[in-house]
Amino acid sequence: GEDVEQSLFLSVREGDSSVINCTYTDSSSTYLYWYKQEPGAGLQLLTYIFSNMDMKQDQRLTVLLNKKDKHLSLRIADTQTGDSAIYFCAEKGPNAGNMLTFGGGTRLMVKP
Amino acid sequence: KAGVTQTPRYLIKTRGQQVTLSCSPISGHRSVSWYQQTPGQGLQFLFEYFSETQRNKGNFPGRFSGRQFSNSRSEMNVSTLELGDSALYLCASSLEGTSGEQYFGPGTRLTVT
Repeated sequence: GEDVEQSLFLSVREGDSSVINCTYTDSSSTYLYWYKQEPGAGLQLLTYIFSNMDMKQDQRLTVLLNKKDKHLSLRIADTQTGDSAIYFCAEKGPNAGNMLTFGGGTRLMVKP
Repeated sequence: KAGVTQTPRYLIKTRGQQVTLSCSPISGHRSVSWYQQTPGQGLQFLFEYFSETQRNKGNFPGRFSGRQFSNSRSEMNVSTLELGDSALYLCASSLEGTSGEQYFGPGTRLTVT
């Protein structure tokens, strides 16, 4: 079945850029998403990218998609302590309704 | 617009009991999906409902079931609870015919003792 992989942990200093990476196996993925989860909370949709796009920018967030390598990244510019959370990437297949397959999440720690 | 709401937020049940969780989607959203989140297995898809019909189902035993009402509100039920059912159950709603962005509720934390 489809698989989505992420590294477990990332630590950065406040003000630096963070780059969270994700790889997926389903070449027919239509949309890919980034979600943020803070302790005790649900998932917050940050941004998404359609599979025929290479890049999408949304304020401090930049999503890069390399469809050939099935690699997705999320860059957070000027990372703040409030960005500390777990970040999940997820993919949606073409015939999956709205079913998402999630990665295991990357815990981002921002040090002051 | 109000977000996705889930009730109850916390629940403690005993093995063998059953439980019903409720989800109210964002107004106008007709698709509701349910996910289970555990430290060991991560986020796993349970099922999706659209227009009162189950459209997709994940790889969970038949003890897990759901339904959707005409107002798009959804419930999921777990019968004969096991310790391993302890998890955060998340509901998400989305508009049909869009990029499929799903908006999640805060979840119901179920503890089975």
